[in-house]
Amino acid sequence: EAQVTQNPRYLITVTGKKLTVTCSQNMNHEYMSWYRQDPGLGLRQIYYSMNVEATDKGDVPEGYKVSRKEKRNFPLILESPSPNQTSLYFCASSLGSTGEKLFFGSGTQLSVL
Amino acid sequence: AQKITQTQPGMFVQEKEAVTLDCTYDTSDQSYGLFWYKQPSSGEMIFLIYQGSYDEQNATEGRYSLNFQKARKSANLVISASQLGDSAMYFCAMREGSVIYNQGGKLIFGQGTELSVKP
Repeated sequence: EAQVTQNPRYLITVTGKKLTVTCSQNMNHEYMSWYRQDPGLGLRQIYYSMNVEATDKGDVPEGYKVSRKEKRNFPLILESPSPNQTSLYFCASSLGSTGEKLFFGSGTQLSVL
Repeated sequence: AQKITQTQPGMFVQEKEAVTLDCTYDTSDQSYGLFWYKQPSSGEMIFLIYQGSYDEQNATEGRYSLNFQKARKSANLVISASQLGDSAMYFCAMREGSVIYNQGGKLIFGQGTELSVKP
């Protein structure tokens, strides 16, 4: 089944404890991206990757890191999480560029205490 | 700068009636794509419909149609014959950039419209 898999689904952590949210897609998609969703703000793009070893900042990259060492995986790293990073996170992928729809993962609800 | 505006935070519609969800956008690019996604209470993001900036016809997908008015920079979603299962949050989104040059990395979403369908 074609899908984008995010793990974990729920995560509670404490301020400053490094964490990684994994994202993997099995559709051979070139493009992958991360978003955070907060009430009243919609989804905001954190980082995106047009292909392997090509990543770029979205609108809210501060406090996040990403890497794209292989086509299928695009992990989101929070080196020192803070409470304002408590949010619902989505990973998404698409075949390529402007005209392609995004396929979304199920989301990761992160709480930073 | 890119911007998407959804001015209706919440809407109600009677079952079996049609409803229009508003979306206006701002871009200086000539090449862009507009999308609508549905997010039910379970949380997943479901693709509904796509309109390219060079498409001359309005996009349709089953009960969904996109009323694309390029000069007014609006891309309203029309849902015909609303069903109870249409109750959800709806997001308008835009990707800028040339398809030929494999652009379109940046993607922005509107704030969303919460639609409630009444029986």
